[in-house]
Amino acid sequence: DTGVSQDPRHKITKRGQNVTFRCDPISEHNRLYWYRQTLGQGPEFLTYFQNEAQLEKSRLLSDRFSAERPKGSFSTLEIQRTEQGDSAMYLCASSLTQGAEGYTFGSGTRLTVV
Amino acid sequence: SQQGEEDPQALSIQEGENATMNCSYKTSINNLQWYRQNSGRGLVHLILIRSNEREKHSGRLRVTLDTSKKSSSLLITASRAADTASYFCATYNTDKLIFGTGTRLQVFP
Repeated sequence: DTGVSQDPRHKITKRGQNVTFRCDPISEHNRLYWYRQTLGQGPEFLTYFQNEAQLEKSRLLSDRFSAERPKGSFSTLEIQRTEQGDSAMYLCASSLTQGAEGYTFGSGTRLTVV
Repeated sequence: SQQGEEDPQALSIQEGENATMNCSYKTSINNLQWYRQNSGRGLVHLILIRSNEREKHSGRLRVTLDTSKKSSSLLITASRAADTASYFCATYNTDKLIFGTGTRLQVFP
């Protein structure tokens, strides 16, 4: 297992289109997190899963955003009707148990909405 | 939402000098962690300090924590050009990490 994988690395989409990102966590990690990072800012929490259960969603996660982790392994983050303000780096991380000892991050998916 | 501020926002130094970054946070914490991010990449965990610890060392890294002031500092000694990156503090309370705004460090050869 080589770490947390995210796909795609880059996505350019037209405003109004739907996009979906995938995250494959470290296999033995049962927690999976999504963060969003805009230029010059720190990562902002979006949501996290314990196995297949989505335990918390930030108010940043509008109704256009949905995340799933159907079998407790990989996760997808979908953005519907993209807006220019959605342009950001979307980071996925995973951790053992509650993550108190730290997260392992993927390299991120950079989304550009034109 | 973000937990707090990091200071300075940007720091430029020469190789061999020490770099100090400060982090302030707002709520009670279980631990505080520091992460590094190279341009356009994911974050890498550097060091963790628990709420009942005051100082911790790891190689060229030294972290301090003052829970009464809700602040932490990261010192990188004898910096190298390869240390050029953004550094973020993150606080852990009960269930997730909340990140600060980051310090961009540039180390000139």
